[in-house]
Amino acid sequence: EPEVTQTPSHQVTQMGQEVILRCVPISNHLYFYWYRQILGQKVEFLVSFYNNEISEKSEIFDDQFSVERPDGSNFTLKIRSTKLEDSAMYFCASNREGNYGYTFGSGTRLTVV
Amino acid sequence: QQQVKQSPQSLIVQKGGISIINCAYENTAFDYFPWYQQFPGKGPALLIAIRPDVSEKKEGRFTISFNKSAKQFSLHIMDSQPGDSATYFCAVSGANNLFFGTGTRLTVIP
Repeated sequence: EPEVTQTPSHQVTQMGQEVILRCVPISNHLYFYWYRQILGQKVEFLVSFYNNEISEKSEIFDDQFSVERPDGSNFTLKIRSTKLEDSAMYFCASNREGNYGYTFGSGTRLTVV
Repeated sequence: QQQVKQSPQSLIVQKGGISIINCAYENTAFDYFPWYQQFPGKGPALLIAIRPDVSEKKEGRFTISFNKSAKQFSLHIMDSQPGDSATYFCAVSGANNLFFGTGTRLTVIP
């Protein structure tokens, strides 16, 4: 069964450093997403991406965040200057049609120290 | 703004019992209502989903009941098993986004 692949599985970074989280969506999917989950809390929407541009973003997705699809397979989330409160699990998801069939990756646990 | 409200926050059920989790939403533009299962350290995995044109969908031991007029939907897990112990999230979807409920931690006692 096709999977969404995320790397790394765990990243530790110093406050103020830049991090890039990587995702390989399912190959025939057209819509890509990032979500985050602070430990023990709900999964929160960050951003959706379609046709090489952001479709929608939440209040969480401020100027510190950016997304990019640098080639035909990867989808990245960059956090420019990390803060302690950015520590969370970050999930990438993709689907073929924008409304349903979301498949999530296993996540990257980001720890900012 | 909370798009979907989920209850209860936690649930303990005996093996073989029925687990029921409820969700309510406000925005009538949502047209897809999935339930996700999440084990510790893993991403959410789609369990079962329903569209608003039907009132019930059953897959194995899992059933979604959907009440469009009340803007509520629920997950029923029949014959609950210890392996069902996980966090369950309802979600609502419109165009290009998926919003999750706050989650229910289900524990099935052997």
